[in-house]
Formats: sequence, structure tokens, C-alpha cells
Amino acid sequence: NAGVTQTPKFRVLKTGQSMTLLCAQDMNHEYMYWYRQDPGMGLRLIHYSVGEGTTAKGEVPDGYNVSRLKKQNFLLGLESAAPSQTSVYFCASSSSGETQYFGPGTRLLVL
Amino acid sequence: DQQVKQNSPSLSVQEGRISILNCDYTNSMFDYFLWYKKYPAEGPTFLISISSIKDKNEDGRFTVFLNKSAKHLSLHIVPSQPGDSAVYFCAASASFGNEKLTFGTGTRLTIIP
Repeated sequence: NAGVTQTPKFRVLKTGQSMTLLCAQDMNHEYMYWYRQDPGMGLRLIHYSVGEGTTAKGEVPDGYNVSRLKKQNFLLGLESAAPSQTSVYFCASSSSGETQYFGPGTRLLVL
Repeated sequence: DQQVKQNSPSLSVQEGRISILNCDYTNSMFDYFLWYKKYPAEGPTFLISISSIKDKNEDGRFTVFLNKSAKHLSLHIVPSQPGDSAVYFCAASASFGNEKLTFGTGTRLTIIP
């Protein structure tokens, strides 16, 4: 039981490049979330999903897209990376309760 | 608009003493509160939670207190241990909010041996 895993762990992008971050969970959770963590800002919700095939915007969705084609996977895409998207990205999942379980994070540097 | 506030960015406590971390919130719709602990280069891990129908919840060395009238909650760790050194995030959610959590900015706790 791996819980929540994230791929990749670290990535460097040039401005304008695109990439996809993958989140996978093996706990059969309905809800999945993408957050970013910046110094002094805590964790801010980017997008979330309440079930397979659904997505919704969070607090800071601009510049990101997501897809939830399979229940266990939640993908976060950056179509044209900007230096402001340099951050640590965390994925989380939860069942019907409020407790969310987090992955180990992806550190992204945009030059 | 920071709906969940942790006004102390850092806190240092002697090993064996009590650590008290504070959190304030502004949204009266919040009815479920959680504390997460985060080590460097790892994801946050769930520590303890409390529903708004309670004013206290204990789990071993960890106790969370909720004062709804003051919109304030606190996490007490006693006795504090070196392994408790981490960043602690307070989070809150509202019923029927798709379980969205609103996080505070975190407090870095350092336990001094």
C-alpha cells in the first residue's frame, strides 16, 4: 500500500515549456487535490476532483489544467511554464471524511 | 484574505516542556479543523482533528482545543520531543465544501534538547 505517490520528484523547466505532474493513489479515494506550497504562503489549492471524470477550480487555478480520467490518477498540467510557477506541488486524496493524505511533493523550478 | 492564520512563524521549546501552537480563523462556516505536521522534503502528514461540536480532542501527547466564540484553536504537545521539530499547519473546512481545506501559513517548531 503505497498511499499517494507523485512523479517526478524534481524538475527544471525553461519558461514556455510544458509538463505534466502525475499523482496516483491506491486507497480508492474519491477526492483528489493539487496544492502548491510557497514560502510564507502555506498550501494553496490549485484544482481538485470529487470523482472520476470531474474537476473543479481551487484558489489559484490560473496557468494550470487537470484531468481525472481514472479514479486513482490525477494529472496536473502546465501548458506554458512561467517563473511564478516555481514551487513545491503536493497532491492529496481523501475518502468521504475530511482528512486528506498527501504525497511527498514535486519540486519544480522554472527558469 | 487569509481565512486561517498562524501568526507565529516559529517557536522554540525545551525538550520535555509543553509546546503550544496557535491558529485563528475568520470564516464562521468552518466546522472541522485539522493539524498537519511536515518534515523537510516530505508531504504533510495528518496529526489530529476536531469537529466544531467538541472543544477538545486528545491523542496521546497531542491535544487540540477549539474556542468557537473566539475563532481560535490551539495544539498542545506535551511532553515535547526532538522528533516533534517540524512545521505545523493548521487547516479548516466547511461542511458541504467538497472537503476543501484552507491552510494556515505554518509554524516551525524547534525542540531544543
